Amino acid sequence: AQSVTQLDSHVSVSEGTPVLLRCNYSSSYSPSLFWYVQHPNKGLQLLLKYTSAATLVKGINGFEAEFKKSETSFHLTKPSAHMSDAAEYFCVVSGPYSSASKIIFGSGTRLSIRP
Amino acid sequence: GAVVSQHPSRVICKSGTSVKIECRSLDFQATTMFWYRQFPKQSLMLMATSNEGSKATYEQGVEKDKFLINHASLTLSTLTVTSAHPEDSSFYICSASPGPNYGYTFGSGTRLTVV
Repeated sequence: AQSVTQLDSHVSVSEGTPVLLRCNYSSSYSPSLFWYVQHPNKGLQLLLKYTSAATLVKGINGFEAEFKKSETSFHLTKPSAHMSDAAEYFCVVSGPYSSASKIIFGSGTRLSIRP
Repeated sequence: GAVVSQHPSRVICKSGTSVKIECRSLDFQATTMFWYRQFPKQSLMLMATSNEGSKATYEQGVEKDKFLINHASLTLSTLTVTSAHPEDSSFYICSASPGPNYGYTFGSGTRLTVV
């Protein structure tokens, strides 16, 4: 069984300051983990993914995440927030990759950026 | 590459009518596609797994006769909302996986409003 918990429903940071969006997972086997971003009334865009390679994963738009097995975490970070980063972010877990594997979404974290 | 196209992006229909939503993989073949539903300010809920050439697999609580899924080719899955009611109004998103290096790619979503 798998599950994913996003610890914050809403995060607000000032432009230019670091971003931290927290995600913890539970999985019976080696998970694949993803972060997606969704802008209002839009589909989802993949930011980055972890699939049992390097534990520090770099994604698009300056985002990165670190897979920590001991903490069952996959937190998303960015050194300096930009106004365009304001969106909804979803942490997603699945089992070992297969095109037919179900993926489980976290509840989402809304990121707001203050000028 | 690895684009999933969803159409229409927005549709308004009258109660009692049926609406068809298309999901196409543009540059890859997808034996499996997934259909999600998203309520305002909520996460994505997996409705069903669409399997090319066979019946779809529905999640618990999703009415098969209400949400008809057809996956007749390797690049097209359709979701038909039958006898739509206002409570079916929602954002519907499809996804497929082009391969392990891509993760899961999502369509841009369809905003359904039933009046």
